[in-house]
Amino acid sequence: SAVISQKPSRDICQRGTSLTIQCQVDSQVTMMFWYRQQPGQSLTLIATANQGSEATYESGFVIDKFPISRPNLTFSTLTVSNMSPEDSSIYLCSVEARRQPGDEQFFGPGTRLTVL
Amino acid sequence: AQSVSQHNHHVILSEAASLELGCNYSYGGTVNLFWYVQYPGQHLQLLLKYFSGDPLVKGIKGFEAEFIKSKFSFNLRKPSVQWSDTAEYFCAVNDRGGADGLTFGKGTHLIIQP
Repeated sequence: SAVISQKPSRDICQRGTSLTIQCQVDSQVTMMFWYRQQPGQSLTLIATANQGSEATYESGFVIDKFPISRPNLTFSTLTVSNMSPEDSSIYLCSVEARRQPGDEQFFGPGTRLTVL
Repeated sequence: AQSVSQHNHHVILSEAASLELGCNYSYGGTVNLFWYVQYPGQHLQLLLKYFSGDPLVKGIKGFEAEFIKSKFSFNLRKPSVQWSDTAEYFCAVNDRGGADGLTFGKGTHLIIQP
């Protein structure tokens, strides 16, 4: 298994500002992902964070709004840019250790973001 | 594109009742199937998974699920629930290759009454 920490655990931000969320894993992992869980909704994949190259974004998510970095095999950041109240969500980091068929993903505790 | 449908959004049961939560997926290829659980105030954690072999899989805490390929289903079962099973349950799927993020169902909020 992998132990994942996220910072901050929660934040309240003003409209138009940006917030960077950090994800740290206690071991090297192959795959890292970012998800969003809007209030009362399920989890939606934002992007796959690729080590050493640009992230791969899902339909409906763009790099200008959600820039992602992954400088090494244990760390990634997600920035929520130019925030609006619609960005209020829980943002979760997950990892997959080995990229093998059937490997599960381990999830971090999430960052609860409220945009006023 | 993949999609996952969970039939029950809110379920209330008494302790010792049997549980079955439905999950159907839509995808043309071969898939990995997962059930995750989120207890109040805790992280998402894996209950069980299927990717090959015996379609009846057993997970933690007495849960099991059966993959029925012809029905595109992966229903979660437990013969006798406990108060501590109160949680949010999510069915999820990704491509068999395992390099993809997960597609989640909307979740089922399960409440067990003592």
